[in-house]
Amino acid sequence: NAGVTQTPKFQVLKTGQSMTLQCAQDMNHEYMSWYRQDPGMGLRLIHYSVGAGITDQGEVPNGYNVSRSTTEDFPLRLLSAAPSQTSVYFCASSYRKSGRMNEQFFGPGTRLTVL
Amino acid sequence: SQQGEEDPQALSIQEGENATMNCSYKTSINNLQWYRQNSGRGLVHLILIRSNEREKHSGRLRVTLDTSKKSSSLLITASRAADTASYFCATGLSNDYKLSFGAGTTVTVRA
Repeated sequence: NAGVTQTPKFQVLKTGQSMTLQCAQDMNHEYMSWYRQDPGMGLRLIHYSVGAGITDQGEVPNGYNVSRSTTEDFPLRLLSAAPSQTSVYFCASSYRKSGRMNEQFFGPGTRLTVL
Repeated sequence: SQQGEEDPQALSIQEGENATMNCSYKTSINNLQWYRQNSGRGLVHLILIRSNEREKHSGRLRVTLDTSKKSSSLLITASRAADTASYFCATGLSNDYKLSFGAGTTVTVRA
């Protein structure tokens, strides 16, 4: 299994540009999420999904959109990039077993710089 | 807002020594998880401890949970250079998937 994959690894955008960060998992996990990590801070949840067709907002959703058309893919769209969105973005997936949630599996991250 | 706070923020130890870091949180939790992040990499899950558990072990790792004090500790025994990383605690408030991460403890193991 490849686990959780993210593309691209690095991206530089100009203010106002839009782009999509890709995330895919091959573990058939129902739960997927996007976090951002800024220096000196922990991960903050942007959006999450508990299954295909179901998404919800996390702690810091403004400026980002998501959709979940398949179990495997969970892309994150930046609508109009701003310098405040300069960050490292992580995608994660997880599953439920015997009615209880379990650990999250993280992708390698996308380092985004907005000029 | 971050639910968990790790202490200390940074820790430097000699190879072979033990490293202990703590996590405090504010509200009742369903579970607490510890993750490791090597520089420039994604997070790797270490241990998940549920609210009805008090201690868990995994290799050289020992995690305790005290729900009355709303705190957890991670002990790494006989540290190695490869243990140099940032360690994060994450709390799950209910039996769903959402986690709230602390800012992490940066551990440096000196050879």
